[in-house]
Amino acid sequence: AAGVIQSPRHLIKEKRETATLKCYPIPRHDTVYWYQQGPGQDPQFLISFYEKMQSDKGSIPDRFSAQQFSDYHSELNMSSLELGDSALYFCASSLGGGSTYEQYFGPGTRLTVT
Amino acid sequence: GEDVEQSLFLSVREGDSSVINCTYTDSSSTYLYWYKQEPGAGLQLLTYIFSNMDMKQDQRLTVLLNKKDKHLSLRIADTQTGDSAIYFCAERNNQGGKLIFGQGTELSVKP
Repeated sequence: AAGVIQSPRHLIKEKRETATLKCYPIPRHDTVYWYQQGPGQDPQFLISFYEKMQSDKGSIPDRFSAQQFSDYHSELNMSSLELGDSALYFCASSLGGGSTYEQYFGPGTRLTVT
Repeated sequence: GEDVEQSLFLSVREGDSSVINCTYTDSSSTYLYWYKQEPGAGLQLLTYIFSNMDMKQDQRLTVLLNKKDKHLSLRIADTQTGDSAIYFCAERNNQGGKLIFGQGTELSVKP
């Protein structure tokens, strides 16, 4: 069965650079969630989209922005990167704006900021 | 507010049962989840339970839910070395469906 695809899997950037993370949800899933997991931490919710509209916002820095496109894939744009942004970034997909139990996670993008 | 708490470590011997506990605060959560994360890997959905259920069994996994005490547990029968991982409990926020995770319990299975 098709799963959530994230690219790239690994990314190394320097401070003050920008990064773009991509997420391709499971086919037919119209809802995307982004989470950030710091070293030894639990995943923290950043932002979500349902039918291309932002549906919820968590502890996402103003330096980050995201959007969902017409094919339901989503991109997380991160600017002015800081050392503290080094983390594993997960995308999860669901159906119906979170109205079902399903929330399947992608393998994550490991971002290292040096 | 939303908060999910778990104990951080659990060590068991191969073949024993493991019980991982979790408490949550949002009594309106309709779904509660258990995810497994191996080192450097993603989050694997193990099982979930709907809030109107007390128990759910899926092969070696048994989930117990005590809504009154807001307590969730995951029992793994006949624990194997391949079960060594971090296990996250999560509750689902009913507005939009975001997940609130606990800190994770690191399960170590000794042969």
